[in-house]
Amino acid sequence: ILNVEQSPQSLHVQEGDSTNFTCSFPSSNFYALHWYRWETAKSPEALFVMTLNGDEKKKGRISATLNTKEGYSYLYIKGSQPEDSATYLCAPSSSNTGKLIFGQGTTLQVKP
Amino acid sequence: DAGVIQSPRHEVTEMGQEVTLRCKPISGHNSLFWYRQTMMRGLELLIYFNNNVPIDDSGMPEDRFSAKMPNASFSTLKIQPSEPRDSAVYFCASSRQTGTGGNSPLHFGNGTRLTVT
Repeated sequence: ILNVEQSPQSLHVQEGDSTNFTCSFPSSNFYALHWYRWETAKSPEALFVMTLNGDEKKKGRISATLNTKEGYSYLYIKGSQPEDSATYLCAPSSSNTGKLIFGQGTTLQVKP
Repeated sequence: DAGVIQSPRHEVTEMGQEVTLRCKPISGHNSLFWYRQTMMRGLELLIYFNNNVPIDDSGMPEDRFSAKMPNASFSTLKIQPSEPRDSAVYFCASSRQTGTGGNSPLHFGNGTRLTVT
């Protein structure tokens, strides 16, 4: 069973604050690491898929890094906006068949 | 592109009844996943298919659950008989895997909210 841990479980910040979350996963049998954004009453949407140790990806104010040797990934949001409020999920793949197991997520609330 | 299409959006049924959830993946996608969302367990992987073949069904709760993918454009998840503890939102997702190891993002449907009374 793949043990995926995300921290913190929830986060409340003020508009304009920068923030970051952590995703920890077993470093053995690593194939890929996914990040998803899940807004209330919607479906999860993919942010990033990373495969290489040291990978860094960026989309607007959101960026992510990957360390496969120690088994963690960070997601950063610069200058949080109320529309960033959502649950952020990570999902590592430890199988060559593409099996994805999701963490419990970090729920971000950005206050205007 | 219409995205992943799930039906019905909502299903309310009585305990003991058979429930069938349907999913149409994005055309050209070769992997399909069924997830269940609950407050306690988050997004739980039930089963997934590659090229219409079930690869891993270890997440299926028990024999009351079954899933099929008769062709590349259709999958069903069936619960028979249903129980109140099956109440949850069921998501279908598809992706186009190239190579190995889950290197392509999942595209999720809007989910089916199941309530078993």
